[in-house]
Amino acid sequence: QVQLVQSGAEVKKPGSSVKVSCKASGGTFSSYAISWVRQAPGQGLEWMGGIIPIFGTTDYAQKFQGRVTITADESTSTAYMELSSLRSEDTAVYYCARVGNSGSYSDWGQGTLVTVSS
Amino acid sequence: EIVLTQSPGTLSLSPGETATLSCRASQNISSSYLAWFQQTPGQAPRLLIYGTSSRATGIPDRFSGSGSGTDFTLTISRLEPEDFAVFYCQQYVSSPRTFGQGTKVEIK
Repeated sequence: QVQLVQSGAEVKKPGSSVKVSCKASGGTFSSYAISWVRQAPGQGLEWMGGIIPIFGTTDYAQKFQGRVTITADESTSTAYMELSSLRSEDTAVYYCARVGNSGSYSDWGQGTLVTVSS
Repeated sequence: EIVLTQSPGTLSLSPGETATLSCRASQNISSSYLAWFQQTPGQAPRLLIYGTSSRATGIPDRFSGSGSGTDFTLTISRLEPEDFAVFYCQQYVSSPRTFGQGTKVEIK
């Protein structure tokens, strides 16, 4: 069972950027895709994008193209999601999720609350 | 982009009853790429079903999935108190890997 541990809550000003980390332990990091999914307060799940660490290839939802950057550091088994030009609508819990042998997201981080407020 | 529409929005049932949740896709999805997740308040989603009908590790057999093409169903038999939650379907056949808007199963 892979464990994903995310960085702590953040409070950011509109227009700034946030970078959230997701450290994996207990399994193979590089071969499986890691995605980022966010959830605004009281809302559903929204897929933002993902990366396959061993190849460094990324895939982003069009909605976030140009604002989101997902990276991975194989040496520390850590994935990162950076979101720029923050606005109040970006206030949400951000989750990392790892694709397992099922092909779907079998492992999830605990979530990181990002609050965007002036 | 594949749009997933879940129904109903809310299902009010009693423990011991059966819940039937629907997920309809805007275009054909290979049955290999449809998953269901359960989310309770304050928790991360948990994978229940992948590949339309395969249960994830540790998921009890009262959870079952079925469907093909554009219509998929999650059935929860003999509802237990811990089953009351929000359920999401997700397709992972193409990018973006969209989720349905969720169905809340609440205690009647």
